[in-house]
Amino acid sequence: ETGVTQSPTHLIKTRGQQVTLRCSSQSGHNTVSWYQQALGQGPQFIFQYYREEENGRGNFPPRFSGLQFPNYSSELNVNALELDDSALYLCASSYALDGRYEQYFGPGTRLTVT
Amino acid sequence: AQSVTQLDSQVPVFEEAPVELRCNYSSSVSVYLFWYVQYPNQGLQLLLKYLSGSTLVKGINGFEAEFKKSETSFHLTKPSAHMSDAAEYFCAVSHNFNKFYFGSGTKLNVKP
Repeated sequence: ETGVTQSPTHLIKTRGQQVTLRCSSQSGHNTVSWYQQALGQGPQFIFQYYREEENGRGNFPPRFSGLQFPNYSSELNVNALELDDSALYLCASSYALDGRYEQYFGPGTRLTVT
Repeated sequence: AQSVTQLDSQVPVFEEAPVELRCNYSSSVSVYLFWYVQYPNQGLQLLLKYLSGSTLVKGINGFEAEFKKSETSFHLTKPSAHMSDAAEYFCAVSHNFNKFYFGSGTKLNVKP
């Protein structure tokens, strides 16, 4: 079992609202990535944070934003929710150095927008 | 940009039969390759990865994959399927551990 946790587990929001999802990192990992997984699809990369700075972004609008804290935990914020934002949101913490790569995913947050 | 194609959305196999899940990728640069497993209502678990070196990679749960650069493929195999292998499997590529591009997934159905 990994040390990556996500909260909340499930969430129901109304269109136009804002939501914040949280992710803790595996001990020793300095990078967090966020993914959106719509039903029946593969995960889509949203963005990655490395040592508190955004380190890459996928094709998501600016209303998807994030933060990484000094303890390497992270938040995903989504403003002006749309129905299509309904999905499983996954975070992954990782560590890469000298040819070694370690990555663990959290269990996800299921967001439903009505 | 990179992309991943998993042509088979579902693969049925009998228990103890061999398994092959196909993955092809496209990229203009060298990539790292990954396979993940996802059980219902859970996150992803890394099965194996190719970073460099031997093109035959062994992972957890008896799975392995072979990187074939000339065919731009990274197919996942297992000699004998178990009922517990029933899950969805995702292939992914990354150029620099920064952005990961996932395929659409293959559901492995294991029949007794």
